[in-house]
Amino acid sequence: DGGITQSPKYLFRKEGQNVTLSCEQNLNHDAMYWYRQDPGQGLRLIYYSQIVNDFQKGDIAEGYSVSREKKESFPLTVTSAQKNPTAFYLCASSIEGGPGNTIYFGEGSWLTVV
Amino acid sequence: SQQGEEDPQALSIQEGENATMNCSYKTSINNLQWYRQNSGRGLVHLILIRSNEREKHSGRLRVTLDTSKKSSSLLITASRAADTASYFCATDAIGSSNYKLTFGKGTLLTVNP
Repeated sequence: DGGITQSPKYLFRKEGQNVTLSCEQNLNHDAMYWYRQDPGQGLRLIYYSQIVNDFQKGDIAEGYSVSREKKESFPLTVTSAQKNPTAFYLCASSIEGGPGNTIYFGEGSWLTVV
Repeated sequence: SQQGEEDPQALSIQEGENATMNCSYKTSINNLQWYRQNSGRGLVHLILIRSNEREKHSGRLRVTLDTSKKSSSLLITASRAADTASYFCATDAIGSSNYKLTFGKGTLLTVNP
């Protein structure tokens, strides 16, 4: 089935650690996105990529890094510089990055700092 | 900053009733989309309405857009318990240097059996 796969679903991070969230899509979409969602809040854009080997910072990129080496993969690393990383992380994709394109979401990953 | 703001923040109704949620935004847009999110899950696209459209239907969903008031509404008719979820509006603003959707904080809809 076509879709977006995020892993792991639940992840625990110790203080000072970097962790990487995986996102893979088999929809052949050019554009991919990472959003952060805090409880009772909307989504905030962390990074987005409109094409392979290119990505742009979103509204809250500090403390995060991404790569886009393959069309189908867009991993997000939460670095130790992110002081409040506990949140629900959503990966998404669209056919292209222009306006009016439907965004398809993965099932999300819960990250908790312990 | 949040572009879209949903109202009300929470809505509780009985099965069979209609549910109306509103979204207001600040700057001119190309399109407005509505998404649904079940608790702890990803978002699912419901409907897209373009800035030159005033109303759109999809099954039990009816969306209106009033660009003069910078607002949109989502109506779910004959609601079911399975409609219980958070509903978000998302806009893409004219003049953005790069395409990105801006999401509101959502309306939590509870449909009681």
